[in-house]
This record gives sequence, C-alpha cells and structure tokens, in this order.
Amino acid sequence: DSGVTQTPKHLITATGQRVTLRCSPRSGDLSVYWYQQSLDQGLQFLIQYYNGEERAKGNILERFSAQQFPDLHSELNLSSLELGDSALYFCASSEGQLTDTQYFGPGTRLTVL
Amino acid sequence: AQSVTQPDIHITVSEGASLELRCNYSYGATPYLFWYVQSPGQGLQLLLKYFSGDTLVQGIKGFEAEFKRSQSSFNLRKPSVHWSDAAEYFCAVVGDNNDMRFGAGTRLTVKP
Repeated sequence: DSGVTQTPKHLITATGQRVTLRCSPRSGDLSVYWYQQSLDQGLQFLIQYYNGEERAKGNILERFSAQQFPDLHSELNLSSLELGDSALYFCASSEGQLTDTQYFGPGTRLTVL
Repeated sequence: AQSVTQPDIHITVSEGASLELRCNYSYGATPYLFWYVQSPGQGLQLLLKYFSGDTLVQGIKGFEAEFKRSQSSFNLRKPSVHWSDAAEYFCAVVGDNNDMRFGAGTRLTVKP
C-alpha cells in the first residue's frame, strides 16, 4: 500500500461527458502528479501540482484540467470526453520535486463508450 | 525534448537466470533517469534512479542499473530472477524542462 488513494476505481461514461477523478496523497507529501496509461499512448505524464500550485506540465490536453486543494488532495477534470480518453489514470505523490521518489496510487480506469 | 527507448517489448527468462532490460535515452545534458516496475493491476513502483555520481546504481528487490553516457544507456540488471519479478518495467527520463517521459515498457515473463 503506497498510501496514495484514488477514487473511483472504475468509471464508465459516454462521449461528450465530463468526469472528475480524485486523489489523496500520502501524508506529508506536498506534490501530486497525474499520469495517463493507455494502449495507444503508453504511459504519459500529465501534470504536477505542488502545494496548490501548478509546477510542471506534460502532455495534458486542453480538455483536461487539474487542481490541488488546501488539504492537498487533487482532482483531475476530463471534459468533452472522447473514445480515445479511455485509459488508466494514475495519481502519484512525493515530498516536492518531480525527481523525488513518487508513490503511485492504484489508478482509476476510465471507459468512454 | 528528451525521450526514452526500450527496444524490447517482451522478454522471457527462466527463473534463476540473469536479466538485463535495455533503455536508451536522448537528451543533451545528463538526465535524471528512473526505472519503475508495474505488477499486473497495480500502480508503478520506483526501483531505482540516477542523477549523478556513481554510474552503478543499486535499487530495491536486488535490481541495479548502470548509466553509460557514451552509449546513452541506462540498462537494468538482476543477477538471478525470481518468479515474482514477472511484471512490466518502465524506464523514464526527466530533463530540465521538468517533463517526465516514459519508454514503451518491457514485459518480463519468468519461466519456471
């Protein structure tokens, strides 16, 4: 158990819809990261938040957004969903830097029909 | 931008045999390099990382990796594989633009 929790575990929705994925970091970690894993694109870094502020950005689509709240939990919002957004979305946390040891959650599997 | 190539999509080794998983990176300066393991249905776990200093890095679960600048490689090794090592292995690189890039992964099968 990494100490990182993600909800929900599974999500099934339709094209054009909007969903929110939630992540709670390990106790004491200030950084949260979001990753997408799909058969087509492989594993991709999306975005990092540190203590409420965006710190680094990867291949995150404009339809996607994230935020980190004062209690340090984070949400990833995916809108105008397309079939290709079906993937496993991981959250990870670390003490601070992108290069720190990151602890991954179990993931949320999103299926867009 | 930096990139990572894992040339082997799938490798099969016998239990007790040695293992080497290949990783080649593309980056102008010395990158931050990582190896992660993903067991079926699980998130990723960091095995080891290299930033600078000694080019032979020891990790968890008996793994090690060697950074070779001349070959732009960061290969993962284990002297004796256990059945529990069957998993997917990802090499990753972080450059100075603070963007982490992953390789396509190598799936390891361990034969009894």
